[in-house]
Amino acid sequence: DQQVKQNSPSLSVQEGRISILNCDYTNSMFDYFLWYKKYPAEGPTFLISISSIKDKNEDGRFTVFLNKSAKHLSLHIVPSQPGDSAVYFCAASGWRRDQFYFGTGTSLTVIP
Amino acid sequence: EAGVTQFPSHSVIEKGQTVTLRCDPISGHDNLYWYRRVMGKEIKFLLHFVKESKQDESGMPNNRFLAERTGGTYSTLKVQPAELEDSGVYFCASSLGGSGANVLTFGAGSRLTVL
Repeated sequence: DQQVKQNSPSLSVQEGRISILNCDYTNSMFDYFLWYKKYPAEGPTFLISISSIKDKNEDGRFTVFLNKSAKHLSLHIVPSQPGDSAVYFCAASGWRRDQFYFGTGTSLTVIP
Repeated sequence: EAGVTQFPSHSVIEKGQTVTLRCDPISGHDNLYWYRRVMGKEIKFLLHFVKESKQDESGMPNNRFLAERTGGTYSTLKVQPAELEDSGVYFCASSLGGSGANVLTFGAGSRLTVL
């Protein structure tokens, strides 16, 4: 009964191109979404978030898009850099912001 | 500012033994969470403390797992007796909390291998 799904286990992109990572959720009560990035042997680190009152949030090279009707969000990285190679986790929570549900992660490899 | 610290980084034990994992959250963070990731799977919620109180322990797998948070500071997660399926990486995270933009800061994790 996974409530947050990342259906692509891995993605490879050439340096300088766009990386698009996708995430789907099933619980319509979720209204706050985050992306975390994880390097090997480290904990996940916060990257970017979006609340349901928005459909887009940008931070430098990272943009998150939210489509509430489709229960889908995506993370765009432009341009992709080799240092972006990591596992990316999508997470969601409800209005209380006290429990977060994570996906299985997508391993991104940026090829120099 | 010191981050979230977890100890040990890796523990290898035999089935039936006991292991205790420790987490030191960021100072001043009332919220403390335990999560677990089994290889290739999602990062799964185990439980949530607000200060020393268990706010939500719905994710704890069974009564072999016991979490405590003494005085609202550090937390321990004990697995007794350990089973093979308990292997995985246990992450601790902390946050200031509130209904605003709550962002979890994670530790590096404690990898548990049960043989």
